[in-house]
Amino acid sequence: DTEVTQTPKHLVMGMTNKKSLKCEQHMGHRAMYWYKQKAKKPPELMFVYSYEKLSINESVPSRFSPECPNSSLLNLHLHALQPEDSALYLCASSRLLANTGELFFGEGSRLTVL
Amino acid sequence: DQQVKQNSPSLSVQEGRISILNCDYTNSMFDYFLWYKKYPAEGPTFLISISSIKDKNEDGRFTVFLNKSAKHLSLHIVPSQPGDSAVYFCAASGMNYGGSQGNLIFGKGTKLSVKP
Repeated sequence: DTEVTQTPKHLVMGMTNKKSLKCEQHMGHRAMYWYKQKAKKPPELMFVYSYEKLSINESVPSRFSPECPNSSLLNLHLHALQPEDSALYLCASSRLLANTGELFFGEGSRLTVL
Repeated sequence: DQQVKQNSPSLSVQEGRISILNCDYTNSMFDYFLWYKKYPAEGPTFLISISSIKDKNEDGRFTVFLNKSAKHLSLHIVPSQPGDSAVYFCAASGMNYGGSQGNLIFGKGTKLSVKP
């Protein structure tokens, strides 16, 4: 099983809503990532978890709140988002937190904030 | 300022010919480079990588070349097939480049179209 599964695939929410994006992997990977990708832009790192602990927060606004309940799951809680937060949110995992390992990406969750 | 640049947003190639996708980087601390391929409605998929201690890495139809002095890498696909049509992202990382460990810096991507 070499998949990273993200749900939902599409999400539309208002600025006052609270929603969550979910990511799951069963490859035994110990590092998991959230990337944000806007149209015609490269993916940009948001958060990194290593061994279920938050390792990196790339100055992401507090309206995005990550959570890693266990080694297989990664959530991104969304609250009071802005229309400019509309983007493709990509989850990824790697065997370990290192600079020489390939990342396995999910299909992404397409978020639209109205 | 972009640290990883893919200056060609698109490339069109005839089936059976060679596709060459280019990538330039500015930070000399990068020491590991990867290519990802992305189909519409899918996440990026790892394709091939190269460490800075090498200048070439080959995997089947895919070869990546690294020119450290020019801070340039390229991905060669030969022969190109219609199924290769996708967006190709170049990415770089480095233990000491000053960024966060585990952070891949991506280029904007090049959309490859292989025509039958």
